[in-house]
Amino acid sequence: QVHLQQWGAGLLKPSETLSLTCGVSGGSFTAYYWTWIRQPPGKGLEWIGEISQSGSTSYNPSLKSRVTMSLDTSKEQFSLNMISVTAADTAVYYCARDYGDYLWGQGTLVTVSS
Amino acid sequence: DVVMTQSPLSLAVTLGQPASISCRSSQSLVYVDGNTFLNWFLQRPGQSPRRLISNVSHRDSGVPDRFSGSGSGTDFTLKISRVEAEDVGIYYCMQGTHWPRTFGQGTKVEIK
Repeated sequence: QVHLQQWGAGLLKPSETLSLTCGVSGGSFTAYYWTWIRQPPGKGLEWIGEISQSGSTSYNPSLKSRVTMSLDTSKEQFSLNMISVTAADTAVYYCARDYGDYLWGQGTLVTVSS
Repeated sequence: DVVMTQSPLSLAVTLGQPASISCRSSQSLVYVDGNTFLNWFLQRPGQSPRRLISNVSHRDSGVPDRFSGSGSGTDFTLKISRVEAEDVGIYYCMQGTHWPRTFGQGTKVEIK
């Protein structure tokens, strides 16, 4: 059974760069889209962006200037980088795979605080 | 961006009774290929969301058949035929037709 495991720094200072990685295990590294979604504490879900299996990316226009997603098929991982974070970027960040099913990672709480 | 509007935002249901959640989009969700990419997710307390329904009405593997999705164009509904205790959580609709993908605000379902 395919499983998504994500990791990355959970505490950042304002202006630093958020870096998260999501690894795939238990199945093939295949998807229509590899996706990142976030959820501020006590709030709803916000789509950050997605990267296709071929490496094409689509980002939320509200975050596009600060976000980069990448895919490493040799390591069966995909990553999210977000520059210049502020307190408004504090959220649980989820990776997800859209491929017939829609699997989610366990979530990573990223807190931005000075 | 396509705005997804859910109603109600909270719902208290007696065990064994039905429940219904509405999701309306600001634009048609019919894609150029004729598919309608409307998904429903359930986020149980303290957990990652889980998809229940894709393409308006297709239940994901392992989803009980008490969950059903319907609708077309801009108007969609998730129904639970008989609510069980494990159905408690927040339900989100999400459109996958247009970029950026967008979610509804969420509907919190609790047991009365």
